[in-house]
Amino acid sequence: DVKVTQSSRYLVKRTGEKVFLECVQDMDHENMFWYRQDPGLGLRLIYFSYDVKMKEKGDIPEGYSVSREKKERFSLILESASTNQTSMYLCASSLVASEQYFGPGTRLTVT
Amino acid sequence: DQQVKQNSPSLSVQEGRISILNCDYTNSMFDYFLWYKKYPAEGPTFLISISSIKDKNEDGRFTVFLNKSAKHLSLHIVPSQPGDSAVYFCAASGGSQGNLIFGKGTKLSVKP
Repeated sequence: DVKVTQSSRYLVKRTGEKVFLECVQDMDHENMFWYRQDPGLGLRLIYFSYDVKMKEKGDIPEGYSVSREKKERFSLILESASTNQTSMYLCASSLVASEQYFGPGTRLTVT
Repeated sequence: DQQVKQNSPSLSVQEGRISILNCDYTNSMFDYFLWYKKYPAEGPTFLISISSIKDKNEDGRFTVFLNKSAKHLSLHIVPSQPGDSAVYFCAASGGSQGNLIFGKGTKLSVKP
């Protein structure tokens, strides 16, 4: 059974803080993704990675960076958190060209 | 411009009846389509998919229909149950590397 875990379910940070969101998958998937979900906007892709140390920008990469040092781990970094980054963050993984499996999400609030 | 559109933000259905969720797409290069279900405060879970070489795929109470000429797909849930109440996302893929393009979702409410 595929398992994707995220480091926190709920997180509250202050404006200007550096924030790390971690995601780990246990199925040896090549692909990993970070999305944010906001009401009325659906799932928007922030960054994705097809391999270790490889990253590609998604639709809304501004204000974010990522790191993939190991195949199973994909980190999302908010360099200086802002209130408009308050959102639900979802990590997913997949084999090449197949369905994506999502983690439980991290509800981030920036005050 | 949205490549995957779910034009109904919400849908309310009586328990036991059919739920039909619709999705339109604009990119003719899409060749694989998926439906995900999402409960509040949880990640989306994969529900059912269909390849562009098929026009129907069935899994228990869930059936997905694909009309390529109309660039339209639909998810049928029969019979609908209160536990089906969730947000449903349609997604499409056309690249070799597996990126998905998601619609904005439809919130389904199944009333007992």
